[in-house]
Amino acid sequence: SQQGEEDPQALSIQEGENATMNCSYKTSINNLQWYRQNSGRGLVHLILIRSNEREKHSGRLRVTLDTSKKSSSLLITASRAADTASYFCATDATWGDAGNMLTFGGGTRLMVKP
Amino acid sequence: EAQVTQNPRYLITVTGKKLTVTCSQNMNHEYMSWYRQDPGLGLRQIYYSMNVEATDKGDVPEGYKVSRKEKRNFPLILESPSPNQTSLYFCASSFSISGVTDTQYFGPGTRLTVL
Repeated sequence: SQQGEEDPQALSIQEGENATMNCSYKTSINNLQWYRQNSGRGLVHLILIRSNEREKHSGRLRVTLDTSKKSSSLLITASRAADTASYFCATDATWGDAGNMLTFGGGTRLMVKP
Repeated sequence: EAQVTQNPRYLITVTGKKLTVTCSQNMNHEYMSWYRQDPGLGLRQIYYSMNVEATDKGDVPEGYKVSRKEKRNFPLILESPSPNQTSLYFCASSFSISGVTDTQYFGPGTRLTVL
C-alpha cells in the first residue's frame, strides 16, 4: 500500500513560475523526504523534514509539513527548464514490530517550458 | 567519493535463469534497500535491511531474495526470473538512527528485461 501520494501527477509550467507539489500520507511518520529523478536515472535527495519541523528551505526549494493534515508540500520558486524532472516524497514510518519502512509515493512529473 | 554502485546496469535474460544484481555502498550505512520502478506505479520497495543479518520484506518481495552478510553489500537475487520482473531496479542506502532512516543515497539503477 502506498503511504505517500503526490498531487498533481503531472504539472506543466512556464520558466520563472513557481511549482507546488503536494504529498499526503496515512500514518504517523518520523520524517518525510523529497527526491528528484531525471528520466531513467537514480533519485537525488532534496530535503528531509522531521516530524517536529514545520518548514525547511534549501535554495529555491521550500518544504512544509502539516502533521495534523498528514500532508507536505514542495515549492520550487522561479522555476527553470532544468527543474524538469519527476519529484517523489517518501515517508519514514514505524510499522509496529515490523520496524521502520521508507515508502515512496507515485511522483509528480514536472515540466518547465522555456 | 561517496556512492552506491549497482551491477550490472543493463541485463537481458530469459525466464528461469537465476541472476544476481549487486549493490555496494562505501558510506558505512546501516540501512540498505531495493526498489523497483514501473511506469505509473512509482517506486515500490522489495526488501530492506536495517543492518547486517537483518532483512525484512517490503511491499513487493515475491520472487526476490536478498542477503546482508556484510555492511557494504546488499545483493538482490532472482532465483527464477519471470517476465513480470522486467523493471528498473534501484538500490539505496542511508544511515539509520534508532531505526529511523535518513537521507537515501541511490544507485544509478539496473534495467532488467526478462524474456
